[in-house]
Amino acid sequence: EVQLVESGGGLIQPGGSLRLSCAASGFTVSSNYMSWVRQAPGKGLEWVSIIYSGGSTYYADSVKGRFTISRDNSKNTLYLQMNSLRAEDTAVYYCARVLYSSVSFDYWGQGTLVTVSS
Amino acid sequence: QSALTQPASVSGSPGQSITISCTGTSSDVGSYNLVSWYQQHPGKAPKLMIYEVTKRPSGVSVRFSGSKSGNTASLTISGLQAEDEADYYCCSYAGIFRVVFGGGTKLTVL
Repeated sequence: EVQLVESGGGLIQPGGSLRLSCAASGFTVSSNYMSWVRQAPGKGLEWVSIIYSGGSTYYADSVKGRFTISRDNSKNTLYLQMNSLRAEDTAVYYCARVLYSSVSFDYWGQGTLVTVSS
Repeated sequence: QSALTQPASVSGSPGQSITISCTGTSSDVGSYNLVSWYQQHPGKAPKLMIYEVTKRPSGVSVRFSGSKSGNTASLTISGLQAEDEADYYCCSYAGIFRVVFGGGTKLTVL
């Protein structure tokens, strides 16, 4: 059974850093495209970042230069390093597996809440 | 402002059919047959309902169908049921590498 479990969210001050983790089971992270999608409170979904199986990475303009997506193959875990956090980064962050041929997200984690506030 | 435009809300009675539109541009919806739709119940993670415009993942009811014409994609739910009440989001590939979502549509089953 495919399962994704995020962790690492919390309350952080503006300008701070946080690293989110997404532990996967039932499939191999390194053989798939993986993504982060976020949802601000009461708002819609926003794509954040993707990592290809080959290692290429891409980011939304809103987080480019501040966020870094990565993975640890030995732990079958996806990460999102978030630096220079802003109030507008406050959201529930979901990791999702990408159905690469369709650029759709077929499995999602339960999400982890990041709150950026002083 | 979201990249893809969806109606804020739609409603229907049990057994009826409803359609949710998703309007993009020639740079996203109009250029790629890579439109997907997601259902999200309150407090839950999104669930993939349709991918590649018309395809249904295993386990998704045949009552859900997708289509596209030009820059507008659509999700149709037939035989509305109470459990269909949720938020629905469309999503489109928009080039290397960019993915855009719609603002979401709240479906109310009357």
